Amino acid sequence: AQSVTQPDIHITVSEGASLELRCNYSYGATPYLFWYVQSPGQGLQLLLKYFSGDTLVQGIKGFEAEFKRSQSSFNLRKPSVHWSDAAEYFCAVGARSGNTGKLIFGQGTTLQVKP
Amino acid sequence: DGGITQSPKYLFRKEGQNVTLSCEQNLNHDAMYWYRQDPGQGLRLIYYSQIVNDFQKGDIAEGYSVSREKKESFPLTVTSAQKNPTAFYLCASSTGTSDEQYFGPGTRLTVT
Repeated sequence: AQSVTQPDIHITVSEGASLELRCNYSYGATPYLFWYVQSPGQGLQLLLKYFSGDTLVQGIKGFEAEFKRSQSSFNLRKPSVHWSDAAEYFCAVGARSGNTGKLIFGQGTTLQVKP
Repeated sequence: DGGITQSPKYLFRKEGQNVTLSCEQNLNHDAMYWYRQDPGQGLRLIYYSQIVNDFQKGDIAEGYSVSREKKESFPLTVTSAQKNPTAFYLCASSTGTSDEQYFGPGTRLTVT
């Protein structure tokens, strides 16, 4: 069955420190991959996406993610975290075939930023 | 300004009442989706629609109903059959061809 795992439910980092949020997926083929961010009580905003090509993807707000096929991973990184990055982050996968547009979401990782 | 609107932001209902959540988009997207979000459970798909007048059940459709009479609109009705309706509900849309989904701001429903 298709699934997305975000192993870290909660992460705390100091402002200015680097960040890596993990995402592993189980899928029959290479899926489309997404990272979204959600501030409390708000909708989700797309940070970045991987469809094909370069496996290192740049997104908004200084985030990047690297697709590693051999590890079935799509980890999100940021070199220097800002206090405004505190939010919940969701990894999602979508099918390349079938065209339903459905996404499967991980359970989310809550990021807390210490001053 | 293109986007997705959901109304109201907060909704309160008594147990046993049906309630309808609104979702409108002006992105000209074919596909629309409804998710339920509970703490620690991520997003779970309730219903989705790839085209007007057609929709499919998602993973947790029991106790919910939808309609898709217009491309722009995809209202969700939470019926009295839904055992635990209190949650945060998110609507999304996409071009429907394995592209990213755009999300509305959400509606927090509280049933007492």
